[in-house]
Amino acid sequence: AQKITQTQPGMFVQEKEAVTLDCTYDTSDQSYGLFWYKQPSSGEMIFLIYQGSYDEQNATEGRYSLNFQKARKSANLVISASQLGDSAMYFCAMRGLQGGSEKLVFGKGTKLTVNP
Amino acid sequence: DVKVTQSSRYLVKRTGEKVFLECVQDMDHENMFWYRQDPGLGLRLIYFSYDVKMKEKGDIPEGYSVSREKKERFSLILESASTNQTSMYLCASSLTRRTEAFFGQGTRLTVV
Repeated sequence: AQKITQTQPGMFVQEKEAVTLDCTYDTSDQSYGLFWYKQPSSGEMIFLIYQGSYDEQNATEGRYSLNFQKARKSANLVISASQLGDSAMYFCAMRGLQGGSEKLVFGKGTKLTVNP
Repeated sequence: DVKVTQSSRYLVKRTGEKVFLECVQDMDHENMFWYRQDPGLGLRLIYFSYDVKMKEKGDIPEGYSVSREKKERFSLILESASTNQTSMYLCASSLTRRTEAFFGQGTRLTVV
């Protein structure tokens, strides 16, 4: 079974500092994908970054980077130079096969608060 | 512009009613998903579909069913609504496992 674990219900960071949001996953698949989404208070789900299980380099998208450690089954999100607008819920998600079809499961999320 | 549209933003239904939540995507995506989101529990997968008329149970399918008669439309059905199904429901679609899922705006369902 596929499972995503986010152990930090809430995180606080000062504006302009970097922050790491933790994500560990469990799967028996060899081929899978890992995603991070942001959900501001408005409720929309915003895709941030993707990492494939066979990608050798860590993914980066602007201020977002994914620290992928395959042996540890972790896929932590690093946000550099935090901004007030980064305050939101952050969800880690994994895509893998279930019975031949592609299942997408999410963790419980981390609420990030950026302080001025 | 990519779009996933859910038919209602807010819905109030009575216990025991049959409820239909509709989701339409205009991106020709194969894969579609239904989630419910509750505080502290994240997004939990109810059902997903990888093709027309194909469906798979997610992690919490009890009390729900789905229908996918056309590629662009994926419906979630609450056979007999109960108060513990009060939640935010999110629909999503994606092309492949390497591409991101796009989400609808959500339907906040209240069962009274």
